[in-house]
Amino acid sequence: DSGVTQTPKHLITATGQRVTLRCSPRSGDLSVYWYQQSLDQGLQFLIQYYNGEERAKGNILERFSAQQFPDLHSELNLSSLELGDSALYFCASSVRWSGELFFGEGSRLTVL
Amino acid sequence: AQTVTQSQPEMSVQEAETVTLSCTYDTSENNYYLFWYKQPPSRQMILVIRQEAYKQQNATENRFSVNFQKAAKSFSLKISDSQLGDTAMYFCAYLNNNAGNMLTFGGGTRLMVKP
Repeated sequence: DSGVTQTPKHLITATGQRVTLRCSPRSGDLSVYWYQQSLDQGLQFLIQYYNGEERAKGNILERFSAQQFPDLHSELNLSSLELGDSALYFCASSVRWSGELFFGEGSRLTVL
Repeated sequence: AQTVTQSQPEMSVQEAETVTLSCTYDTSENNYYLFWYKQPPSRQMILVIRQEAYKQQNATENRFSVNFQKAAKSFSLKISDSQLGDTAMYFCAYLNNNAGNMLTFGGGTRLMVKP
């Protein structure tokens, strides 16, 4: 158990819909990262937050947005969903300069 | 931008034998970290081993060891005495603190351990 909690574990929805994925980082970790893993591919970095502020942005679509709240949990919002958005979405957290990320179990999104 | 390349999409090894997974990376930085993550069918990302670039000694964790060649920008993973539970996807990853502590992953190597 990494200490990073993601909900929901599985989500099935239809094209055009909007979903929210939630992540609670390890206790004490200020940084939260979101990654997308499409089928049998590597993890693609989406976005990073540090103590409530956006720190780095990767290949995140404009239809996607995220935020980190004062209690440090984070939410990833995916809107106008397309079939290609079906993927495993990972959240990870870290202490700022630890050099190591701890991953949650992922949220599997299926868009039909 | 940093890139991480794993040139072996799939590999197989007999149980109890040794296998080496390759990884190369591209960076202009001098201080960084390298990792190998394991992703079994459960899809959980599990850290296998880490290496700090400033350390010359290769990292070792039980049956897992790395061959870190900084000048060649190579970071291979050796699994000794392979076990059936080692069957998984293995991802090499690079992290540079100056880039916001963000991990860049390779495309992965699917390892099958055969009985």
